[in-house]
Amino acid sequence: GIQVEQSPPDLILQEGANSTLRCNFSDSVNNLQWFHQNPWGQLINLFYIPSGTKQNGRLSATTVATERYSLLYISSSQTTDSGVYFCAVRSQGGSEKLVFGKGTKLTVNP
Amino acid sequence: NAGVTQTPKFQVLKTGQSMTLQCAQDMNHEYMSWYRQDPGMGLRLIHYSVGAGITDQGEVPNGYNVSRSTTEDFPLRLLSAAPSQTSVYFCASSYFGYGTFFGQGTRLTVV
Repeated sequence: GIQVEQSPPDLILQEGANSTLRCNFSDSVNNLQWFHQNPWGQLINLFYIPSGTKQNGRLSATTVATERYSLLYISSSQTTDSGVYFCAVRSQGGSEKLVFGKGTKLTVNP
Repeated sequence: NAGVTQTPKFQVLKTGQSMTLQCAQDMNHEYMSWYRQDPGMGLRLIHYSVGAGITDQGEVPNGYNVSRSTTEDFPLRLLSAAPSQTSVYFCASSYFGYGTFFGQGTRLTVV
């Protein structure tokens, strides 16, 4: 099945810093999403982005489908950005399964 | 519009007991799924459904059973609980071409 790798596994920032999280995948996809799991365990959908670029406030995401990677940018980070960020993909032409990477744990210190 | 509703939020079971985790969504989504989350393992797919009457296995289906009699409901049954099933369980729903919405999770402990 499709493989999803996220990097880095852990990231520690000072408030106000910028960061880039990466998601590599092993096959063509027709669905790619980024999620944030907050410290209370809630999973929130950030972006549905199988290709192209989207922005939502301080967050933006870019997926280069032909090169099989996606990037999540966080600018001017805040302590509320802390948590785990997951990338999830669905293989094009494959089953309907949405497969998750193992996540990037982000800690933003005040 | 409640989104995805999961119950219960917490549960303790004894080894060998059975139980059902409930999941309901009010967004008329065709696709529903169950994941378990364990430390260092990310989210792993247990079972999923692409519509009423259609279910399929994910990565870790053993010990779990599902059915989808309506578009709204997708319960997960633990047939005979084992300590290895101690985990946090998430139900999710989505419509093709749109984002996925998760329930609040169920923290299950099997003793």
